[in-house]
Amino acid sequence: QVQLVESGGGLVKPGGSLRLSCAASGFTFSDYYMNWIRQAPGKGLEWVSYISSSGNTIWYADSVKGRFTFSRDNTKNSLYLQMNGLRAEDTAVYYCARDGSSGLNIFDQWGQGTLVTVSS
Amino acid sequence: EIVMTQSPATLSVSPGERATLSCRASQSVSTNLAWFQQKAGQAPRLLISGASTRATGIPARFSGSGSGTDFTLTISSLQSEDFAVYYCQQYDNWPPFTFGPGTKVDFK
Repeated sequence: QVQLVESGGGLVKPGGSLRLSCAASGFTFSDYYMNWIRQAPGKGLEWVSYISSSGNTIWYADSVKGRFTFSRDNTKNSLYLQMNGLRAEDTAVYYCARDGSSGLNIFDQWGQGTLVTVSS
Repeated sequence: EIVMTQSPATLSVSPGERATLSCRASQSVSTNLAWFQQKAGQAPRLLISGASTRATGIPARFSGSGSGTDFTLTISSLQSEDFAVYYCQQYDNWPPFTFGPGTKVDFK
């Protein structure tokens, strides 16, 4: 069955860096577009970033542009989110989510999430 | 950016009753609209895409309707496991993909 497992979250000081990972299994990873979506504590869902199946096309939310870098390694069935210049408002659970619809961007599978806390 | 709104913020329903949740887009999204269910401490789960197509394994008591700017999620007879927060999301015009603020369905 499809599995997405995020890791790498934790407590970091403002201005610090963190690298999140998402390990995928149960499907042909290299065929699928992928996304990161986050949820601040007690708040709603916010899309963060998108990456095409090859990794050649990447989009970011304005709130993270220039600070976050989304990448993938199709040989390792893994996604990475390098987060630099972290701010208190980046505190959230970060989910990786699969686009199960060949480019329509329907988020059909989600990981369990990893919590990032930015605090001094 | 397309802004999504949802109403009501909280819906209090008794088991067995019908629940009707609304979602509105600030401009037309055609039928490029999804609904998600999120229970406490869990990841969101896809319920509906294309405004009205149930995802795999979603019970028939969940139905979606609408197009353009106004959408509805209906739960025909609420079960205990349906008490959760429901989000709508547009994927018509992106980036960014945008979500509504959610409707919490709780016990009356």
